[in-house]
Amino acid sequence: EADIYQTPRYLVIGTGKKITLECSQTMGHDKMYWYQQDPGMELHLIHYSYGVNSTEKGDLSSESTVSRIRTEHFPLTLESARPSHTSQYLCASQGGQHGDTQYFGPGTRLTVL
Amino acid sequence: AQKITQTQPGMFVQEKEAVTLDCTYDTSDQSYGLFWYKQPSSGEMIFLIYQGSYDEQNATEGRYSLNFQKARKSANLVISASQLGDSAMYFCAMREFPYNTDKLIFGTGTRLQVFP
Repeated sequence: EADIYQTPRYLVIGTGKKITLECSQTMGHDKMYWYQQDPGMELHLIHYSYGVNSTEKGDLSSESTVSRIRTEHFPLTLESARPSHTSQYLCASQGGQHGDTQYFGPGTRLTVL
Repeated sequence: AQKITQTQPGMFVQEKEAVTLDCTYDTSDQSYGLFWYKQPSSGEMIFLIYQGSYDEQNATEGRYSLNFQKARKSANLVISASQLGDSAMYFCAMREFPYNTDKLIFGTGTRLQVFP
């Protein structure tokens, strides 16, 4: 299994603030993903990366941006948070057995007031 | 296009009983993988079990087993001897091989509640 970490776990912030959600993994996986999930709903892919300096937008349009300067680190940034960004953000890395399973971090619950 | 369908928004089961959560999928590829994840109220997604399309036997992991019926395109999760801690959302997901996009497609989930 992957060891994958996300900080903060919970964040309440005002409109217009810049925020960065951190995601890191210790398994050396090249592939990493960001998903957005509203409570009790399905997951939507917003960004993914296949390695250092590789980033792509996912299926759900998002105003956030990502970077991948190091293999283990895949942060997500919102330049100007809005109430519509209120959601849970889940980071995942992919590798290992079981068909190259995606392993998820604990998530960040973001509330924008 | 790939699609995952979970038709049960909610399920109830008594402790120690078995429960089946349904999942059907749609794909035109012959090679693909199916995954089940558990999401407790704390929010993290926990990988439970994997089934490859060419696997001849149904996957099992402890109390979890996957009832894979390829011709019917179904991949139901069976939880035996339910425990109170099994109460959570359960998501079925699929990825086609080779890794055209490497994306997981998720269903809408089933909320399982285990009662004493």
